[in-house]
Amino acid sequence: DGGITQSPKYLFRKEGQNVTLSCEQNLNHDAMYWYRQDPGQGLRLIYYSQIVNDFQKGDIAEGYSVSREKKESFPLTVTSAQKNPTAFYLCASSIVGGASPLHFGNGTRLTVT
Amino acid sequence: GQQLNQSPQSMFIQEGEDVSMNCTSSSIFNTWLWYKQDPGEGPVLLIALYKAGELTSNGRLTAQFGITRKDSFLNISASIPSDVGIYFCAGQLPSGSRLTFGEGTQLTVNP
Repeated sequence: DGGITQSPKYLFRKEGQNVTLSCEQNLNHDAMYWYRQDPGQGLRLIYYSQIVNDFQKGDIAEGYSVSREKKESFPLTVTSAQKNPTAFYLCASSIVGGASPLHFGNGTRLTVT
Repeated sequence: GQQLNQSPQSMFIQEGEDVSMNCTSSSIFNTWLWYKQDPGEGPVLLIALYKAGELTSNGRLTAQFGITRKDSFLNISASIPSDVGIYFCAGQLPSGSRLTFGEGTQLTVNP
């Protein structure tokens, strides 16, 4: 079955450590996205990529970094510069062009203490 | 960025009741999407709307793309306990830019 896999489901880190969240898709989608979700809030776009080796900042990119070395993979690194990293992180993918619905993974809940 | 106003923020209903929620914007959108998110999971696409005035159903769910292209609503008929979750609207501007999401409607269904 095609889909998006995020791992791990739960992640715990100490403050000051960088942490990388994994996102892999086998839908053959060119575009991939990272969103952050806080309790009671909507989805805020962190970074997105429409093609391999290229990515763009979203609305809340500070303290995060990404890479897109392969079409299938779009890992997100939460750096120590991110002031409030505890959140639910969602990865999504879509085809490029036109009105393309996003397909979401099942998320990673990151807790930083 | 662009804002979508989604309402209500939360709803508490009895099983069997109908539900209605909507999204509005000051901007014109080319596409409206409705997603449902179960607790601890990623959002799942329910309905996609691509034309002003379009009315689309998916089982007990019905969504409409407003004539003005600035709004959309989602109706759920005869709610059941598994309808519990957060419902998000999302819109895409004519420029083809990335999606803008509403802040979600938290639905609770009491058996």
